[in-house]
Amino acid sequence: DAGVTQSPTHLIKTRGQQVTLRCSPKSGHDTVSWYQQALGQGPQFIFQYYEEEERQRGNFPDRFSGHQFPNYSSELNVNALLLGDSALYLCASSLKWEETQYFGPGTRLLVL
Amino acid sequence: GESVGLHLPTLSVQEGDNSIINCAYSNSASDYFIWYKQESGKGPQFIIDIRSNMDKRQGQRVTVLLNKTVKHLSLQIAATQPGDSAVYFCAENIGTNAGKSTFGDGTTLTVKP
Repeated sequence: DAGVTQSPTHLIKTRGQQVTLRCSPKSGHDTVSWYQQALGQGPQFIFQYYEEEERQRGNFPDRFSGHQFPNYSSELNVNALLLGDSALYLCASSLKWEETQYFGPGTRLLVL
Repeated sequence: GESVGLHLPTLSVQEGDNSIINCAYSNSASDYFIWYKQESGKGPQFIIDIRSNMDKRQGQRVTVLLNKTVKHLSLQIAATQPGDSAVYFCAENIGTNAGKSTFGDGTTLTVKP
């Protein structure tokens, strides 16, 4: 039974570019949440998807957008990258929003 | 190797000792709390959770204590092992939506053999 998987593992972009990160939830899970984790800090909630819709959103600008597909996998898109977007991006999945969430290993994004 | 009450960014303990990791949460409306363990190169891993109608919950070698009066949470690890070395985060939630967690500052636990 595969856990949460994320791709790519590492990514280097330059300021102003756009990036798409991908997440496959744990088998049987239908809810995906995305977090940004800056170095040395705790994860910060970006948004949550359930039934292909954004259900909850944290305090992130509109440059951050996402999508959930019918197979429950999800993408995180960031436009007009800033140096401050450099971080570990974590995806977590759960069965609906009430159950324990399981995190993937993250995608390390470096913006130069 | 114990700290009571005060959040410390790092904690070093001897193998076999008990560890106490503290967390102060920010929102008095939070009613669901989770402790996570994050090892290097990995995502956070669920350890134990507690709801606001409880003040103590025990798991395997771990105990979480909740003091709502002072908005304080602690994680006790019994007989700490080298494999417990990691960064520990507390997370608070309003309602049962664990997917919209607010994470606190982490504590790096180092277990010396």
